[in-house]
Amino acid sequence: QVQLQQSGPGLVKPSDTLSLTCTVSGGSISSYFWSWIRQSPGKGLEWIGYIYYSGSTNYNPSLKSRLTMSVDTSENQFSLRLNSVTAADTAVYYCTRGSDWSDAYDVWGPGTLVTVSS
Amino acid sequence: DIQLTQSPSFLSASVGDRVTITCRASQVISSYLAWYQQKPGNAPKLLIYAASSLQSGVPSRFSGSGSGTEFTLTISSLQPEDFATYYCQQLDGYPVTFGGGTKVEIK
Repeated sequence: QVQLQQSGPGLVKPSDTLSLTCTVSGGSISSYFWSWIRQSPGKGLEWIGYIYYSGSTNYNPSLKSRLTMSVDTSENQFSLRLNSVTAADTAVYYCTRGSDWSDAYDVWGPGTLVTVSS
Repeated sequence: DIQLTQSPSFLSASVGDRVTITCRASQVISSYLAWYQQKPGNAPKLLIYAASSLQSGVPSRFSGSGSGTEFTLTISSLQPEDFATYYCQQLDGYPVTFGGGTKVEIK
């Protein structure tokens, strides 16, 4: 059974870079699309972007200028970097899996609350 | 961006009730529509994909239907564990978008 384990700091200072990693266990990172979703406190869900195991990406235009995703197939993990963060980036961040670019997300990580504060 | 509008945003119902949640898209979308259930403190859980396909392990009381711009999630007989917030998601166009959510509470 595939599981996603998230890691990264829960507190980031304004203007710094938010970095999160998602490690895939119980299965291979290959042949899947890996997305990041975030949820601001008490709010709905926002799609951040996806990375294919080959390294191709698709980002939300609203975040594209600050966003970088990467994948490490040897470690079975993928990562998110969001720079120049502000309080508006405070949210629970989830990593997810999809079988294709248009497929629903059947596996989710537990979520990481990232607070942007000095 | 494709906007998804869910209705109602809040629903009060009793155990055993039939519940229907609607998701309307701002433009015609294909069947790349999914439904998720989220309980407080937990990640969303996939219930329905491709508008009407039941995800493995999800009880058969959940069903999805619809096409074009209007889609529905139906719970045929509400159970205590179904009280949660439900979200629709479209993957027909990028960026992927979600509905605003429907919170189902105990009456």
